[in-house]
Amino acid sequence: KQEVTQIPAALSVPEGENLVLNCSFTDSAIYNLQWFRQDPGKGLTSLLLIQSSQREQTSGRLNASLDKSSGRSTLYIAASQPGDSATYLCAVRGGADGLTFGKGTHLIIQP
Amino acid sequence: AAGVIQSPRHLIKEKRETATLKCYPIPRHDTVYWYQQGPGQDPQFLISFYEKMQSDKGSIPDRFSAQQFSDYHSELNMSSLELGDSALYFCASSHSREQYFGPGTRLTVT
Repeated sequence: KQEVTQIPAALSVPEGENLVLNCSFTDSAIYNLQWFRQDPGKGLTSLLLIQSSQREQTSGRLNASLDKSSGRSTLYIAASQPGDSATYLCAVRGGADGLTFGKGTHLIIQP
Repeated sequence: AAGVIQSPRHLIKEKRETATLKCYPIPRHDTVYWYQQGPGQDPQFLISFYEKMQSDKGSIPDRFSAQQFSDYHSELNMSSLELGDSALYFCASSHSREQYFGPGTRLTVT
């Protein structure tokens, strides 16, 4: 059974810092990996999708990398802003349809 | 851009009652997924439909059922509600790879 782990569970940094969120998964036979953002009590906003054949994806200040063989992905956030404060979830899709989520990294950017 | 629509946004039911949640996918998306997110938990996959047929099944209780209609909207029917069913229920849709999530329905069972 696929298990997804996210480290750290929580992170608080001053505004302007670059930061890295980590995600690891136990079964490397994945179809793709998605990073989401969730604000308290709200829905999930898809940030980046990486196909299993890809190494990285970029969107604005966000960059996600994937090392499928080692079961790892990282989300890099450049020049962090208070508006980036949220919970970031990593999710993988294996052979089945449903995504398997990690428990998320709760990020606080201090003004 | 159009997003996934879910209704109702909030629902309060008593134990042993029945609830129906609705999901309207993004236009031209042919696959719908349902997820349950308990308090402080990560979302858990329940069930999915592709072209109106059940595609995959996750940890959906036998008390729950779902279907996708000819217009691609989907409904999740929940019977004999229990206190533990209180959660945020998300619907997501996709056309090929990326799943787009709706705002969720918050179900409270009292």
